[in-house]
Amino acid sequence: SQQGEEDPQALSIQEGENATMNCSYKTSINNLQWYRQNSGRGLVHLILIRSNEREKHSGRLRVTLDTSKKSSSLLITASRAADTASYFCATVKNTDKLIFGTGTRLQVFP
Amino acid sequence: GAGVSQSPSNKVTEKGKDVELRCDPISGHTALYWYRQSLGQGLEFLIYFQGNSAPDKSGLPSDRFSAERTGGSVSTLTIQRTQQEDSAVYLCASSKGPNYEQYFGPGTRLTVT
Repeated sequence: SQQGEEDPQALSIQEGENATMNCSYKTSINNLQWYRQNSGRGLVHLILIRSNEREKHSGRLRVTLDTSKKSSSLLITASRAADTASYFCATVKNTDKLIFGTGTRLQVFP
Repeated sequence: GAGVSQSPSNKVTEKGKDVELRCDPISGHTALYWYRQSLGQGLEFLIYFQGNSAPDKSGLPSDRFSAERTGGSVSTLTIQRTQQEDSAVYLCASSKGPNYEQYFGPGTRLTVT
């Protein structure tokens, strides 16, 4: 079962623009992770943010976490065509299993 | 190896047959997870192994599904008497342990005809 909802479900932008994806979840968490998936197969870990953190950066990625609103956002700056993929947030509660959101399909046009 | 590997990459089977899916985690990772991804259900957790602890089987959808992890390394997911609704991509992941990022294999695409 999925804990989270992601919004938007699909996003199309031009290269060089920023892309923002949002994730909302339902219960308390230990951490929240963002993953990218190309072509419906392997998932690639992007960034992990712990429940006591509010913001993290990794290269062109910026993730925020608001535990009071049970929401997170992923910002990709200066997007590239190679960023085209599906992006998933996933939460970890007491055990270590990932509970995934519904995903956002990002299309970046050259 | 450098990453998580899974075999086979694709499996087509007839309804009612049993299938075994294999996962080789990253060497030294104590935690191993199975997930599946299907159009109707999205990405779902199935089962989680951590060291020598009893596995967390809370995500297994029915008693036709079982998994083993031998010697703390390789894992096999077995689906008995497959049904068409079992068709999905089965993903394996491993990590250093709780609260670490998970590294995913390329998945096994299972098609039940």
